Amino acid sequence: TQLLEQSPQFLSIQEGENLTVYCNSSSVFSSLQWYRQEPGEGPVLLVTVVTGGEVKKLKRLTFQFGDARKDSSLHITAAQPGDTGLYLCAGAAETSGSRLTFGEGTQLTVNP
Amino acid sequence: NAGVTQTPKFRILKIGQSMTLQCTQDMNHNYMYWYRQDPGMGLKLIYYSVGAGITDKGEVPNGYNVSRSTTEDFPLRLELAAPSQTSVYFCASSTGRPIDQPQHFGDGTRLSIL
Repeated sequence: TQLLEQSPQFLSIQEGENLTVYCNSSSVFSSLQWYRQEPGEGPVLLVTVVTGGEVKKLKRLTFQFGDARKDSSLHITAAQPGDTGLYLCAGAAETSGSRLTFGEGTQLTVNP
Repeated sequence: NAGVTQTPKFRILKIGQSMTLQCTQDMNHNYMYWYRQDPGMGLKLIYYSVGAGITDKGEVPNGYNVSRSTTEDFPLRLELAAPSQTSVYFCASSTGRPIDQPQHFGDGTRLSIL
């Protein structure tokens, strides 16, 4: 069974601060996706990383896939209240076929 | 921009009752998924389908059934509702395998069993 552990589970910061969310596993993933979920809605894809060591930027969000493809991080620069939400990482592996394994999420609150 | 549509949005059931959660997508996606999300937790896969007529179990299939008679629809059936099935249920669809393609989610059905 492949597991993804996210940390921290909860994060409350002030507007303008920087933060990093981590997603770790003992298993190798072929690709890793990051989703954001707002209250009352389904998750929405932010980015997919597929190559070990890959770094992708989406405005103030920077995503990194570990060299060994077992971990990933999400860094937010100068957080804004609109960044508030549940951030989920999800991994896909050749051995898991059509299944996606989700982490338990990081609940981020950015206070004005 | 319908995407993935789930009905109902909210439902309260009594223990032992049955119900069907509806999911339909208008993107002609072959892959469809049902997840449950408990408070403070990520998503657990219940069942999935890679095309019409094909379904398979996920991590937590007990107490649920699915069918996939058309590409568009993927209903989830609870036969004998139990308190442990209180959760938020999400349906998702994609064009292909998770390695290659993102999943598109509906807004969920919040189900309480009392």
